Amino acid sequence: AQSVAQPEDQVNVAEGNPLTVKCTYSVSGNPYLFWYVQYPNRGLQFLLKYITGDNLVKGSYGFEAEFNKSQTSFHLKKPSALVSDSALYFCAVRGAFSGGYNKLIFGAGTRLAVHP
Amino acid sequence: AAGVIQSPRHLIKEKRETATLKCYPIPRHDTVYWYQQGPGQDPQFLISFYEKMQSDKGSIPDRFSAQQFSDYHSELNMSSLELGDSALYFCASSLALGRDSAGELFFGEGSRLTVL
Repeated sequence: AQSVAQPEDQVNVAEGNPLTVKCTYSVSGNPYLFWYVQYPNRGLQFLLKYITGDNLVKGSYGFEAEFNKSQTSFHLKKPSALVSDSALYFCAVRGAFSGGYNKLIFGAGTRLAVHP
Repeated sequence: AAGVIQSPRHLIKEKRETATLKCYPIPRHDTVYWYQQGPGQDPQFLISFYEKMQSDKGSIPDRFSAQQFSDYHSELNMSSLELGDSALYFCASSLALGRDSAGELFFGEGSRLTVL
């Protein structure tokens, strides 16, 4: 079965410092991995995805994520955090060979708080 | 660019009443998903449709039903509403895997259902 774990409920970081939001996954076969961001009372916004290829994936708003197959991780990173990055971040996974229309499985979410 | 449109954005119902939520996917997307997000929780998959046929079913109560119509819009029908049904309901759409897509979901802004 597919699953995603986000071990941190909340991450606090000072503005201008680098940030990391952790995600580990479990899936049969090669994973398709995603990060989404959710602002209060808003829908989830797609940030980036990993399918295959380079382990470092670049996405929207200066975010990037590093795929590590041996550690089954897909941590979200940003070199310099902004106060406006404060939001709820969800990691998600789907199996690459589980059908053309299978759902995404989401992690529990990590709340990122960037302090001025 | 066109996004996923959901209506209504807010809905207040009494216990045991019925509610219907509508979703209009991004044009040319062939898959629609419904998710339920309770306060402080991650999105929980309810049901999905691929080319107007139910493709996957998650934790959708028997009191709920959904369908996708010939114009690809989808409706989530909820009957005998309970207090615990109060949540944000998200619709998402995607292209199926393998059609130049990793199947990333694009979410609407959600419909907030409050059951009194």
